[in-house]
Amino acid sequence: EDQVTQSPEALRLQEGESSSLNCSYTVSGLRGLFWYRQDPGKGPEFLFTLYSAGEEKEKERLKATLTKKESFLHITAPKPEDSATYLCAVRRSGSARQLTFGSGTQLTVLP
Amino acid sequence: GAVVSQHPSRVICKSGTSVKIECRSLDFQATTMFWYRQFPKKSLMLMATSNEGSKATYEQGVEKDKFLINHASLTLSTLTVTSAHPEDSSFYICSASRGAGNEQFFGPGTRLTVL
Repeated sequence: EDQVTQSPEALRLQEGESSSLNCSYTVSGLRGLFWYRQDPGKGPEFLFTLYSAGEEKEKERLKATLTKKESFLHITAPKPEDSATYLCAVRRSGSARQLTFGSGTQLTVLP
Repeated sequence: GAVVSQHPSRVICKSGTSVKIECRSLDFQATTMFWYRQFPKKSLMLMATSNEGSKATYEQGVEKDKFLINHASLTLSTLTVTSAHPEDSSFYICSASRGAGNEQFFGPGTRLTVL
């Protein structure tokens, strides 16, 4: 059974204080690891897809990396508007595009 | 970008009534749509996978007769919660996937409250 574990559950940062969120996964044949951002009362917003170990992607203050067992979402010099829940999900080979989600990291960036 | 809409955004209904939620892909054709349920401060739980023109595939533990899914076109899927009860109150989110690529694009969600 696919498993996705995110840590920490919650993270409070001061504005400008860089940090990383972790997503550990166990999946039979990774077909993609996805990062989403979710604001309260809204649906998830797609951020990145990573397909193979060593791959990195960047978008503004966010950078996602992938190894064979985990992914990190690095946040550089965060701003209050980066406050949200960040979700990680994996897709397994042959799963008809179904995703297994982690429970998320709730990030709060204080001004 | 890929835009997915849901309607309504919020609905309050009495116990025993049925509620229909629509999910539309606005600027692309979605060969597959997914329905999720999310409890407060919890992650998304996949309820069912819907392919246009065929029956939905439900996850274990999800009652197909209670959560009716119709995927009549490449841009529209509907979820009907039949004979709703207070325990069905939740945040329901749909997503859509294009034929090419693996990304799922999510709708804004529907908050269902059953009194």
